[in-house]
Amino acid sequence: GAVVSQHPSWVICKSGTSVKIECRSLDFQATTMFWYRQFPKQSLMLMATSNEGSKATYEQGVEKDKFLINHASLTLSTLTVTSAHPEDSSFYICSAPQRALDQPQHFGDGTRLSIL
Amino acid sequence: RKEVEQDPGPFNVPEGATVAFNCTYSNSASQSFFWYRQDCRKEPKLLMSVYSSGNEDGRFTAQLNRASQYISLLIRDSKLSDSATYLCVVSPYGGATNKLIFGTGTLLAVQP
Repeated sequence: GAVVSQHPSWVICKSGTSVKIECRSLDFQATTMFWYRQFPKQSLMLMATSNEGSKATYEQGVEKDKFLINHASLTLSTLTVTSAHPEDSSFYICSAPQRALDQPQHFGDGTRLSIL
Repeated sequence: RKEVEQDPGPFNVPEGATVAFNCTYSNSASQSFFWYRQDCRKEPKLLMSVYSSGNEDGRFTAQLNRASQYISLLIRDSKLSDSATYLCVVSPYGGATNKLIFGTGTLLAVQP
């Protein structure tokens, strides 16, 4: 069964709307979660690392004021795309590593965001 | 230069064929290596980790050459269900708790 739950799966919004995406670890605690974005026919690109109880670490070129990340508990990280525009339309996906180093990261199902 | 490079394909092969994918990475200090599979509009799923000694899982064999910074995946006796995008993934800092760098993926289409 799924170990990482991501919600919602699909979002269609008007330009200017802010959209919140949730990523939950099920049955395990995740002090770190990762947020990726994937444009059509391109690879997953890491946007930021979400750290429980502290500020997220953003990759170069990712606007932290545009993509707000909150990791307030050991099982939940949220990504808010603020004032979304059509160019923000993409597939957003989170991952959470389990504590055991030999366990792979688990990915959420992803959120397909379409901004009209 | 991209951190992880793959031939995007597509690779169109008949059922039963053997197909090989290659990948190179730029950071010589990278610690962990994986192959993930991604179906259309779905999340990536781990196919297998890649070790220096090489490893095999059924019809799938992965190899790592640290000196050449090269990773490979071999699929034998291809099935229709193998059709997907195969992602070469590198963890620069090692361990499953660190960020992953994805290649652009290689598209495989297995034909009946």
